[in-house]
Amino acid sequence: AQTVTQSQPEMSVQEAETVTLSCTYDTSESDYYLFWYKQPPSRQMILVIRQEAYKQQNATENRFSVNFQKAAKSFSLKISDSQLGDAAMYFCAYRAGSARQLTFGSGTQLTVLP
Amino acid sequence: DVKVTQSSRYLVKRTGEKVFLECVQDMDHENMFWYRQDPGLGLRLIYFSYDVKMKEKGDIPEGYSVSREKKERFSLILESASTNQTSMYLCASSRTGQNQPQHFGDGTRLSIL
Repeated sequence: AQTVTQSQPEMSVQEAETVTLSCTYDTSESDYYLFWYKQPPSRQMILVIRQEAYKQQNATENRFSVNFQKAAKSFSLKISDSQLGDAAMYFCAYRAGSARQLTFGSGTQLTVLP
Repeated sequence: DVKVTQSSRYLVKRTGEKVFLECVQDMDHENMFWYRQDPGLGLRLIYFSYDVKMKEKGDIPEGYSVSREKKERFSLILESASTNQTSMYLCASSRTGQNQPQHFGDGTRLSIL
């Protein structure tokens, strides 16, 4: 079974600084997809960024980028120029290529300090 | 924008009651999912459905059932609610496709007394 591990239950970052959230996963699949979701205090989960395992290039969405290390099974999220609105719970998720369902990590609570 | 609507934000029920949580999506998505979210455990999949009347068990189906009579609606049923089912419940939907993300509702905070 696939597992997703987020080893940092809580992180904090100063406004305008950069922070990296860690995620590792365990799989024997070669075809899979990885996602970062954000859950602000209002609770609705929204997609931040996604990565296809077959792509070597790291995905980037504005201030959000990933460091995808396939051999190490690592998928970290970097947030640049952190803003107060980035404060949220962040979840890493994995989906096997043939599957419909996601496997989530336990989440990292990010606090942004003014 | 995709809209996933859960019928209640907060719900309080008593032990032994039959509880229905409703979820509706407006984007004609094939797949719908029910998760529960507990601190330190992340989201755990209860059931999902990939078509009308089709369902598959997730990681923690015990004590739950689901119903999908129409494509846009996916119901989670607690047959006889117990206190250990107090949790946040999240519904999601997605289109079938290689990198299609899931879209989530606002969640239902369910308390079983």
